[in-house]
Amino acid sequence: DIQLTQSPSFLSASVGDRVTITCRASQGISNYLAWYQQKPGKAPKLLIYAASTLQSGVPSRFSGSGSGTEFTLTISSLQPEDFATYYCQHINSYTIFTFGPGTKVDIK
Amino acid sequence: EVQLVESGGDLIQPGGSLRLSCAASGFSVTNDYMSWVRQAPGKGLQWVSVIYSGAKTLYVDSVKGRFTISRDRSKNTLYLQMNSLRPEDTAVYYCARGQARCGGDCNPLNDWGQGTLVTVSS
Repeated sequence: DIQLTQSPSFLSASVGDRVTITCRASQGISNYLAWYQQKPGKAPKLLIYAASTLQSGVPSRFSGSGSGTEFTLTISSLQPEDFATYYCQHINSYTIFTFGPGTKVDIK
Repeated sequence: EVQLVESGGDLIQPGGSLRLSCAASGFSVTNDYMSWVRQAPGKGLQWVSVIYSGAKTLYVDSVKGRFTISRDRSKNTLYLQMNSLRPEDTAVYYCARGQARCGGDCNPLNDWGQGTLVTVSS
């Protein structure tokens, strides 16, 4: 099964900062990767799929890139509502849909 | 509007059984693929199981042989039958709906329920 790692596990940032989170896969997964945002006590929310396609309704300050084994989620200008935990997920059809361990973005 | 409402979570003793339900509205559970994802207290997300529109199912290794995902077209409801429960199964269980993307080769989880808490403890 595919294993995903995320870095950093935790980051402290200020409103307006540019933030980048990395997700690495144990083997190549093409562009079959999604990113989710989760706030405390809430269900996750899909942000990006196919590595770089923005889900409808998600602000354009979120972007994704990468292919193969290394992927990034970038928030171009961090907003107060963006403080949350972010997860990547392997989403190739008919396989195990592993999640990464998560990256918590906190207020500096 | 798509809505998913989970129910059935409870406090259950180790070795016991529980069935979770996820009532769907705004779409048919048999037309899209449906997953269960769980989150232990203070921990990250763990994908548990999926059922595809063609009825193919997959499970994470830790629940294989103990959990069964199914759906009822007439009730438009997804289920997760959980047997031989262990303390490590304690978690909030979310049902989620996915759609085929990447020309059918990838399945992101578009819509999520609010979750139901399962606690396995004596």
